[in-house]
Amino acid sequence: GAVVSQHPSRVICKSGTSVKIECRSLDFQATTMFWYRQFPKQSLMLMATSNEGSKATYEQGVEKDKFLINHASLTLSTLTVTSAHPEDSSFYICSARDRGVGPSYGYTFGSGTRLTVV
Amino acid sequence: KQEVTQIPAALSVPEGENLVLNCSFTDSAIYNLQWFRQDPGKGLTSLLLIQSSQREQTSGRLNASLDKSSGRSTLYIAASQPGDSATYLCAVRPNRDDKIIFGKGTRLHILP
Repeated sequence: GAVVSQHPSRVICKSGTSVKIECRSLDFQATTMFWYRQFPKQSLMLMATSNEGSKATYEQGVEKDKFLINHASLTLSTLTVTSAHPEDSSFYICSARDRGVGPSYGYTFGSGTRLTVV
Repeated sequence: KQEVTQIPAALSVPEGENLVLNCSFTDSAIYNLQWFRQDPGKGLTSLLLIQSSQREQTSGRLNASLDKSSGRSTLYIAASQPGDSATYLCAVRPNRDDKIIFGKGTRLHILP
């Protein structure tokens, strides 16, 4: 089945530094990838939609200059949290949609990244 | 605007029981519906995907049904085990090009 690899699984960084999270589709091509943020015991909050070769589409209230998204190839999207602050500490999850068409194609999720800013 | 609701929010049952998790959505025009499982601190694992033209899907002890006209889906878990303890999320895809919309999930705890 479709597999999405997300790295790193955990990262601790100092306040003011930047952190990059990678999301790769291993066995399928993903024209569209999604980045979510999840707070403890809450559901996923969509941050942005990443389209290969074009600019990401950000959800309302998400700062595009803080959360930089790059989708340079059909198998890789990256999320960079710039100038991180403790309030950016959270669980970030990516997902990818198979480029195949038809209602039998669903979404595959990465294993998530726990970001802690100290 | 499509909204997805999951009931109950949390559920604790003894091991061995059969159980049903409910998901409802406000707009019946959907492309497909997926059920996911999330363990604490982990990503989401897809359990079952039901296409808009289908009524149900089965995988092992899991059975998901879809009644599009009434805006409902259920996830049936047979002979529950402690390893089934997790949060179960229902997600609706409105059309082919749209992002999926999640319910808030049901936190399931199976008591040994």
